[in-house]
Amino acid sequence: DAGITQSPRHKVTETGTPVTLRCHQTENHRYMYWYRQDPGHGLRLIHYSYGVKDTDKGEVSDGYSVSRSKTEDFLLTLESATSSQTSVYFCAISGRTSGGNEQFFGPGTRLTVL
Amino acid sequence: DAKTTQPNSMESNEEEPVHLPCNHSTISGTDYIHWYRQLPSQGPEYVIHGLTSNVNNRMASLAIAEDRKSSTLILHRATLRDAAVYYCIPLVNFGNEKLTFGTGTRLTIIP
Repeated sequence: DAGITQSPRHKVTETGTPVTLRCHQTENHRYMYWYRQDPGHGLRLIHYSYGVKDTDKGEVSDGYSVSRSKTEDFLLTLESATSSQTSVYFCAISGRTSGGNEQFFGPGTRLTVL
Repeated sequence: DAKTTQPNSMESNEEEPVHLPCNHSTISGTDYIHWYRQLPSQGPEYVIHGLTSNVNNRMASLAIAEDRKSSTLILHRATLRDAAVYYCIPLVNFGNEKLTFGTGTRLTIIP
């Protein structure tokens, strides 16, 4: 299995509080991604990173920010959590830059915003 | 981005072959076709990918139509562990490898 972990695995928080989710990899892969998955939906890309301090927005980036100060860590921050951000969050990593590249996914973080 | 169409659900008997179809008629000539699956309560996992030729690996086979407007993921002998949601994803050949997940096909394996 690819060395990718997410923390915390579960979190319950209240509306308006800041939340930071961490993705950690031991594969030295260049690309890292944050997705969210809601019931009945496929995964949707929030933000991604193509190198240290290089990040860009995905399709559902509003209300989220990211940071990548080291190759191995990609942080997702909800500055002021809302109930609509209750979801399961998956981090993914990938290495090669060809179209045949595959992504490896973490186990997910289940976030509940009350 | 290319659009995909997959059946919402399929059922198959255990130890039988399974053919999961995907239509991607707007795919560009340089897009790879990726398949991922997601087992219950887990993150997605890569299954297979291809460009033009049929591909085989230890998990599955991928048959790509000659015009590349459709593909079929083939599980040669389904097991209960293959029950999952299967996603067909065209992937741009250059850049940052962003996956766009649709709703996929939920495969149920009948013992």
